[in-house]
Amino acid sequence: QSALTQPASVSGSPGQSITISCTGTRSDIGGYNYVSWYQQHPGKAPKVIIYEVTNRPSGVPDRFSGSKSGNTASLTISGLQAEDEAEYYCSSYTGTSTRVVFGGGTKVTVL
Amino acid sequence: QVQLQESGPGVVTPSQTLSLTCTVSGASISSGDYYWSWVRQHPGKGLEWVGYIFHTGTTYYNPSLKSRLTISMDTSENHFSLKLTSVTAADTAVYFCARFGVPPRRHFDYWGQGTLVTVSS
Repeated sequence: QSALTQPASVSGSPGQSITISCTGTRSDIGGYNYVSWYQQHPGKAPKVIIYEVTNRPSGVPDRFSGSKSGNTASLTISGLQAEDEAEYYCSSYTGTSTRVVFGGGTKVTVL
Repeated sequence: QVQLQESGPGVVTPSQTLSLTCTVSGASISSGDYYWSWVRQHPGKGLEWVGYIFHTGTTYYNPSLKSRLTISMDTSENHFSLKLTSVTAADTAVYFCARFGVPPRRHFDYWGQGTLVTVSS
């Protein structure tokens, strides 16, 4: 069982917006602004798309955005595109001996 | 361009030791700006942080693996390694090496392609 809780799947039509939630505790998401999101296509390594809750690395489209409220972080994909179909993982730094935790992953399907 | 590349056996016998190496190019593992990390992914499952090592040699391990895990580094070769003892089928996974930043860059910014390790007799 993963430390952070994500929905197993989310779907949307091209051009629509979807939001993926990620719920943790005050020891991880609630305690630090070190939430990151990773996109993983089948057979590939994860790729960071959001870090420090809201920041996008260079080259990541601005249709990806992140936010946080309390112990829950969210990833929003606006203007969904076919290439956004992938698995998405949230992650947080923690103040515990398990320094980094991940969510169980959310499969995004573009209808 | 930073690149990480995992290497090691694809099959390990139960109860033996799993050993992997991550060779880094385009960056120095002696840098104080990053933790050099291992993350694994069981088949069809999510990501699991295994542990990481700082340039000082200080290590941080997932408590669930700590008794069996050693992460080390060789700055002359610019690579770091993972050893996991007494493996079972539950250790079958894709193992990724990755770079994790110090504050304010606490995220994994570069990853290796991953290597599948199967524990089987």
